[in-house]
Amino acid sequence: DAGVIQSPRHEVTEMGQEVTLRCKPISGHNSLFWYRQTMMRGLELLIYFNNNVPIDDSGMPEDRFSAKMPNASFSTLKIQPSEPRDSAVYFCASSPTSGGDYEQYFGPGTRLTVT
Amino acid sequence: AQSVTQLDSQVPVFEEAPVELRCNYSSSVSVYLFWYVQYPNQGLQLLLKYLSGSTLVKGINGFEAEFNKSQTSFHLRKPSVHISDTAEYFCAVSDASTGGFKTIFGAGTRLFVKA
Repeated sequence: DAGVIQSPRHEVTEMGQEVTLRCKPISGHNSLFWYRQTMMRGLELLIYFNNNVPIDDSGMPEDRFSAKMPNASFSTLKIQPSEPRDSAVYFCASSPTSGGDYEQYFGPGTRLTVT
Repeated sequence: AQSVTQLDSQVPVFEEAPVELRCNYSSSVSVYLFWYVQYPNQGLQLLLKYLSGSTLVKGINGFEAEFNKSQTSFHLRKPSVHISDTAEYFCAVSDASTGGFKTIFGAGTRLFVKA
């Protein structure tokens, strides 16, 4: 299995531009999580999906952030418009959350720099 | 609400010495507990997990942790560390009553292993 796949691995953009981060979860996993990691705030849960349905988006910073999961094999996190304070590493993780396995499998992350 | 406190932000230790990374959690319900490791420029990966049963949990790379319900702790230990154990370690907790979907991560402990 290829694991959780995220693209792009690095993104540099200017303030005000739209940014779209992509994630392909592990096949068969029914939960998907988006996290943001910064030195100041650590690892923050932004949103998670179960069976493609958003369950909890209370961690999404503001309306500039949106996430979708149109099918079981793809999710996007969009920031529009982007701001310098959005600079961080964004991780996607998936989990089977069934059969007693609650481990989250993380992707390699997308390092976002907003100038 | 659940919370996780990792009592040490950094732990320096000499190679082949024992190490303990401390973790306390706050929750009013039954919990699942996890330790994850993050190597530089990578995503998190699971070291070990406690779901139920024996309170002493063994994980990969020689690590183990003990669940102490009365002290609400889940400390991570290794009897002899290697240079390759240098990484950041995250303790995490999720609410068992909600199916373990939402996981809260601690701020992380950076382990430095010196030769």
